[in-house]
Amino acid sequence: SYVLTQPPSVSVAPGQSARMTCGGNNIGGKSVHWYQQRPGQAPVLVVFDDTDRPSGIPERFSGSNSGNTATLTISRVEAGDEADYYCQVWDTRSDHVIFGGGTKLTV
Amino acid sequence: QVQLVESGGGVVQPGKSLTLSCAASGFTFSSYGIHWVRQAPGKGLEWVALIWYDGSNYYYADSVKGRFTVSRDNSKKTSHLQMNSLRAGDTAVYYCAREGDSSGRADYWGQGTLVTVSS
Repeated sequence: SYVLTQPPSVSVAPGQSARMTCGGNNIGGKSVHWYQQRPGQAPVLVVFDDTDRPSGIPERFSGSNSGNTATLTISRVEAGDEADYYCQVWDTRSDHVIFGGGTKLTV
Repeated sequence: QVQLVESGGGVVQPGKSLTLSCAASGFTFSSYGIHWVRQAPGKGLEWVALIWYDGSNYYYADSVKGRFTVSRDNSKKTSHLQMNSLRAGDTAVYYCAREGDSSGRADYWGQGTLVTVSS
């Protein structure tokens, strides 16, 4: 089955940029979605279809997707961005939703 | 505003059954698919099931196929997840989420309900 690989953790200083990757075989051919999950809370969609942001999500959140890697970038990181981030795709071969293992962002 | 509220969680013995509910409001329920996603304590997100907007198709994770059944009642704006033959490994917070479109994204989530499988 399709596998998405995320680094377990990323650390960044406030005000800097955080880049979190999501690796998968030819993931550039799929639509990738990203979720933020703060401790004790439900996930929140922050980027969908590789690069789009839902209403209410700051422009500091951006996404890209090419080849075998999708990337979520958070510019000018704030303390409130500290959370777990998950990438997700729909695998058309298995008709399954696939989540990456998640990346813990520490600010 | 879009709202999803799960209920029905609790403590259940291994091998027993439990049914979760997801009550929706703030949108046209019959136009959207519903995902069920779970998260074991301290672990990542695991997709469980998806039911189409009209209930005509449904998909299951391999880990629950044959044991769990997803359904919906569009007249009551509710989805259900019937869980049979529960195992310790099914212990998790269970979320329902609205499917944004056919790319599988979940654009709104409930707050989740905890299911603990223990003797």
